[in-house]
Amino acid sequence: DAGITQSPRYKITETGRQVTLMCHQTWSHSYMFWYRQDLGHGLRLIYYSAAADITDKGEVPDGYVVSRSKTENFPLTLESATRSQTSVYFCASTLASGYADTQYFGPGTRLTVL
Amino acid sequence: SQQGEEDPQALSIQEGENATMNCSYKTSINNLQWYRQNSGRGLVHLILIRSNEREKHSGRLRVTLDTSKKSSSLLITASRAADTASYFCALYSGGGADGLTFGKGTHLIIQP
Repeated sequence: DAGITQSPRYKITETGRQVTLMCHQTWSHSYMFWYRQDLGHGLRLIYYSAAADITDKGEVPDGYVVSRSKTENFPLTLESATRSQTSVYFCASTLASGYADTQYFGPGTRLTVL
Repeated sequence: SQQGEEDPQALSIQEGENATMNCSYKTSINNLQWYRQNSGRGLVHLILIRSNEREKHSGRLRVTLDTSKKSSSLLITASRAADTASYFCALYSGGGADGLTFGKGTHLIIQP
């Protein structure tokens, strides 16, 4: 089915390791987002992208890197994972109007940093 | 960026009853959106209401927006066990990097 997928769904890693979370959407949506969800904080925006090769920081970008060479993919990399980055990560996309439109979410990646 | 605040944080009702949850915010918005999240899943969009709208319906859902009070409510009528989930309001204030910001959610439990 078309939609937005994330991989892996679960990941355990160690402090200091580099980890990449993948996000893929089949709708050709222009905008894509990465959020993290933690108890007591709700969802917080990490990075977003308005189009291929255009990315920008959200509320909590430190320790993360993104790229978007193709419209359909938006990987999120933790360059040197820390325990504070243990979280559930959600990717989302929206058609054209940026944040004003409905966002469609992937199923999430649960990341544990030991 | 502003964050909506949902109230209550948790709500438990009997199946068949109506559930009401509220979202308050502090500064002007372009639109307000409600999302549902079932345990272990991603968020699913429910309704988007624009600042010039006062009420919207979708099936058993009714959303109201009072911009003078800076608040919105989500009403779920005739609740079902499948409505058990967390419900989030998300605010779009317009432009810039702030974008769409989510509240911490209301956890709704429907008891059979």
